[in-house]
Amino acid sequence: GAGVSQSPRYKVTKRGQDVALRCDPISGHVSLYWYRQALGQGPEFLTYFNYEAQQDKSGLPNDRFSAERPEGSISTLTIQRTEQRDSAMYRCASSPFAGGPGDTQYFGPGTRLTVL
Amino acid sequence: QQQVKQSPQSLIVQKGGISIINCAYENTAFDYFPWYQQFPGKGPALLIAIRPDVSEKKEGRFTISFNKSAKQFSLHIMDSQPGDSATYFCAATRQGAQKLVFGQGTRLTINP
Repeated sequence: GAGVSQSPRYKVTKRGQDVALRCDPISGHVSLYWYRQALGQGPEFLTYFNYEAQQDKSGLPNDRFSAERPEGSISTLTIQRTEQRDSAMYRCASSPFAGGPGDTQYFGPGTRLTVL
Repeated sequence: QQQVKQSPQSLIVQKGGISIINCAYENTAFDYFPWYQQFPGKGPALLIAIRPDVSEKKEGRFTISFNKSAKQFSLHIMDSQPGDSATYFCAATRQGAQKLVFGQGTRLTINP
């Protein structure tokens, strides 16, 4: 079946603009995660949802970052007033069991964000 | 605070050799330790995972060794093949937290 999809795959924006990154999880998956991955580094946790409820947003760098998953499926990560330091690969992952035993996070291909 | 430290950053191994990547963690509450494999242009994909109630887990050519007292775990790839060339990430999480804490990654190159 289809994996996690993200759009756009590449986004170039000017400093100060708002951007919205979309994640389509695997159908039926309960949990959805957002990570940010700098070049040459491991993914860094941003936030996650179980169904439509945001469970943990401790990784969001500041209040310019927000995320939602209103119907428990598709999620949007929004960055307001982008800054050059926001440039990174933003990855979404989904998992079927909300962290139960054997739960596996399946990652999408990512959105490469470049802020000029 | 880097909760999971991974080494080496890069590794070159001859075909047929053994690749070994090491990770150390700080948080003793971690109770699930997966390894992810990432090919260029793709997202990380789960390779193998272990819980601290066992000291070793083997799946085909891939083995995780786990040392709870030392707070260390490692990935061993036996009979390494060129197709194993990728970036490998160790990670850790704890019951109820769900979020993964990743190491910095190891770029593995298997020379034919």
